[in-house]
Amino acid sequence: DGGITQSPKYLFRKEGQNVTLSCEQNLNHDAMYWYRQDPGQGLRLIYYSQIVNDFQKGDIAEGYSVSREKKESFPLTVTSAQKNPTAFYLCASSHGGGVEQFFGPGTRLTVL
Amino acid sequence: GESVGLHLPTLSVQEGDNSIINCAYSNSASDYFIWYKQESGKGPQFIIDIRSNMDKRQGQRVTVLLNKTVKHLSLQIAATQPGDSAVYFCAEGAGNNRKLIWGLGTSLAVNP
Repeated sequence: DGGITQSPKYLFRKEGQNVTLSCEQNLNHDAMYWYRQDPGQGLRLIYYSQIVNDFQKGDIAEGYSVSREKKESFPLTVTSAQKNPTAFYLCASSHGGGVEQFFGPGTRLTVL
Repeated sequence: GESVGLHLPTLSVQEGDNSIINCAYSNSASDYFIWYKQESGKGPQFIIDIRSNMDKRQGQRVTVLLNKTVKHLSLQIAATQPGDSAVYFCAEGAGNNRKLIWGLGTSLAVNP
């Protein structure tokens, strides 16, 4: 089945630790995105990548880092510099010229 | 400082009634608009999109209306079912810009 996978579904970390969230897609999409969603709120863009080895900051990039070494993978690292990392993280992808973004199931990160 | 949680607008309807979810968009240069449905704990799912050169588009049980004069978008769901209970987001985009601007969302509750 084609789609986007995010792992793990739930993640717990201690304050001050970096943590990396996985996002993989087998849709052959060029563009990939990371969003953050807080309770009762909309989606806020963290980073996006339109092609391999290139990515741009979104609206709330501070405290996060990404890499795009392969077309199918776009991992997000939540660093200790992120002041309030507990949130629901969503990864998405879209194909060239398309407007629709396809979403993964999300990872709920809780920092204790 | 920390973000404050917002209460999503909520629409409560009876099963079988029609639902209308509204969205005011921000960018007069946006030329495509998308509606997504997000069930609790899951990633958003594409419902329907519309280009700015259209004012109406219909899908299965859903209709999207676009009023560019007042920058307003609506999603109509016919014969609403319990499975339609979710948060609905509108998103707007412009040209080849892959970034979407997301609305805050509306929670739809369907009463049996």
